[in-house]
Amino acid sequence: DAGVTQSPTHLIKTRGQQVTLRCSPKSGHDTVSWYQQALGQGPQFIFQYYEEEERQRGNFPDRFSGHQFPNYSSELNVNALLLGDSALYLCASSPAGRGFPYEQYFGPGTRLTVT
Amino acid sequence: GEDVEQSLFLSVREGDSSVINCTYTDSSSTYLYWYKQEPGAGLQLLTYIFSNMDMKQDQRLTVLLNKKDKHLSLRIADTQTGDSAIYFCAESLRDNYGQNFVFGPGTRLSVLP
Repeated sequence: DAGVTQSPTHLIKTRGQQVTLRCSPKSGHDTVSWYQQALGQGPQFIFQYYEEEERQRGNFPDRFSGHQFPNYSSELNVNALLLGDSALYLCASSPAGRGFPYEQYFGPGTRLTVT
Repeated sequence: GEDVEQSLFLSVREGDSSVINCTYTDSSSTYLYWYKQEPGAGLQLLTYIFSNMDMKQDQRLTVLLNKKDKHLSLRIADTQTGDSAIYFCAESLRDNYGQNFVFGPGTRLSVLP
């Protein structure tokens, strides 16, 4: 059983560019959450997708947007990249349905460097 | 507001017990979690405890919850060098729109041989 997978592993972009990160949830999971983890810090919640809609959002600007596809996979898009967007971006999936997703499993992350 | 705090560093000798502490602020938290992160990797779910429980044991791991003081701890018995990692405490907040997780800054555990 494949766990949560993310691509790419590493990415280097220039300020002002746009980036798309991808995530495939664990088999049987239908809810995907995205987190930003800056160096030396804990993950910060960006948003959560369920049934192809953004269900919750953390304190991140509109430059951060996402999408969930019918197969439950998800994308995170960041526009107009800033140096401060450099971080490890983590995707997590859970078998929420309309219940309580009390178990959340993380992918290995995508390391984004903005120069 | 939501805030999770942890001490940043802990160093123990191999074979000793490790105790990692965490405090949280939101009394409506339903579940509290411990995650482990090894260098260059994502987060691995270690264990979680429901907020109406006081203790949960899972092999070498013991979680203690003091809801009155909003204090959570993770005890690792017989700590091994492979336990060296960063440990994150997280609280899970649920509202009508779903659930999100609030993580602490992480405690870096170093296990000395």
